[in-house]
Amino acid sequence: DAGVTQSPTHLIKTRGQHVTLRCSPISGHKSVSWYQQVLGQGPQFIFQYYEKEERGRGNFPDRFSARQFPNYSSELNVNALLLGDSALYLCASSPTRQSASTDTQYFGPGTRLTVL
Amino acid sequence: AQSVTQPDIHITVSEGASLELRCNYSYGATPYLFWYVQSPGQGLQLLLKYFSGDTLVQGIKGFEAEFKRSQSSFNLRKPSVHWSDAAEYFCAVGAHTGGFKTIFGAGTRLFVKA
Repeated sequence: DAGVTQSPTHLIKTRGQHVTLRCSPISGHKSVSWYQQVLGQGPQFIFQYYEKEERGRGNFPDRFSARQFPNYSSELNVNALLLGDSALYLCASSPTRQSASTDTQYFGPGTRLTVL
Repeated sequence: AQSVTQPDIHITVSEGASLELRCNYSYGATPYLFWYVQSPGQGLQLLLKYFSGDTLVQGIKGFEAEFKRSQSSFNLRKPSVHWSDAAEYFCAVGAHTGGFKTIFGAGTRLFVKA
């Protein structure tokens, strides 16, 4: 079975632009989470979506938004890009919402975003 | 607030030597604990996880970790390191606040010398 896939693999944008990152979860997984990993740091939680609804949000500004589609794939949108948004953006999927289970999150390879 | 501390930014061990990576967490309830490995340019791969039960957890690639509630620790060990183990290792805690999220430590970079 295919793992979590993300596109594009690399992206270069300039300050003030908008970017859309895409994620396809493992087949059968209904939960998708997004993380930002700045160079030299651990990943930081941005969003969790389950059954097309936002279930959790990290400490990120409103410039960051996301959505989940009926096929459980997801998009992460970032508006008005800043230099500090340069990072590896990771998507993770899991079977359920993990509210009372021992689900594991499976991570994709990430999208490397560079803002110039 | 939940947090994870990995005291060692980087560690160098000789191939064949034993390894221990330290991790301390802060979480009010029974934690869900994880160790992930990230090779350069790669995503995160789960090595092992602890949810409940036996405090010594076996993982993939010969890794194990021990949960010690009294010390709020979840250290990762391997008896004999291989050159291919060189990577970044992240300890993480799962938190049920505002949805389920994984809170990661800053990571420990492992270097393996021949």
